[in-house]
Amino acid sequence: EIVLTQSPDTLSLSPGQRATLSCRASQTINNKFLAWYQKKPGQAPRLLIYDVSTRAAGVPDRFSGFGSGADFALSISGLEPEDFAVYYCQQYGGSPPYTFGQGTKLEIK
Amino acid sequence: EVQLVESGGGLVEPAMSLRLSCVASGFTFDDFSMHWVRQAPGKGLEWVSSVNWNSDTVTYADSVKGRFTVSRDNAKNSLYLHLTGLRPEDTAFYYCARRRNDWDPYFDYWGRGTLLTVSS
Repeated sequence: EIVLTQSPDTLSLSPGQRATLSCRASQTINNKFLAWYQKKPGQAPRLLIYDVSTRAAGVPDRFSGFGSGADFALSISGLEPEDFAVYYCQQYGGSPPYTFGQGTKLEIK
Repeated sequence: EVQLVESGGGLVEPAMSLRLSCVASGFTFDDFSMHWVRQAPGKGLEWVSSVNWNSDTVTYADSVKGRFTVSRDNAKNSLYLHLTGLRPEDTAFYYCARRRNDWDPYFDYWGRGTLLTVSS
């Protein structure tokens, strides 16, 4: 089972700033099968990034994903008020389980 | 518009059983594999189970194997999760999610979830 560890657990920033969220895997993730989701209370998880760096339909270009091997990151430039939420990385390749990181809470400073 | 709507959650006692449902619309349901993912209160997301388009392949997380059964009825555009031997640690929001395809198997659409509380 691939374990994903996200850091930091909580990130406190102000609107307009840049956020960088990290996701480290316990082993190399093959085929670039790494995604990022945004989760707000009472809402469905929203796919932001798939295949490490491809933005899902309708996702603003201030969201970008990058990384390779076992180290990945999500960057959000020019934070908007609606961006404050919990973010999860997930690996979805190969055989299950399709594990998630524990989440990073992005909160308003 | 793709929509996934879960139902069937509620308050149940430990050791009891329950069936969760997810009704899909806005796409050809039997073209897609489907998943269940849960989120316990104050915790992160946990993948639970998956089923391929024709139910030939089903998989489960170790934490639910032998207690939960996933199924689907393509004629009704519906996905199900039958939960037995429920434990307090099964308390969570349960979400259904669609897998994009075999070449890009990310989860592209999710429902808003249904809350299951297991407590005496």
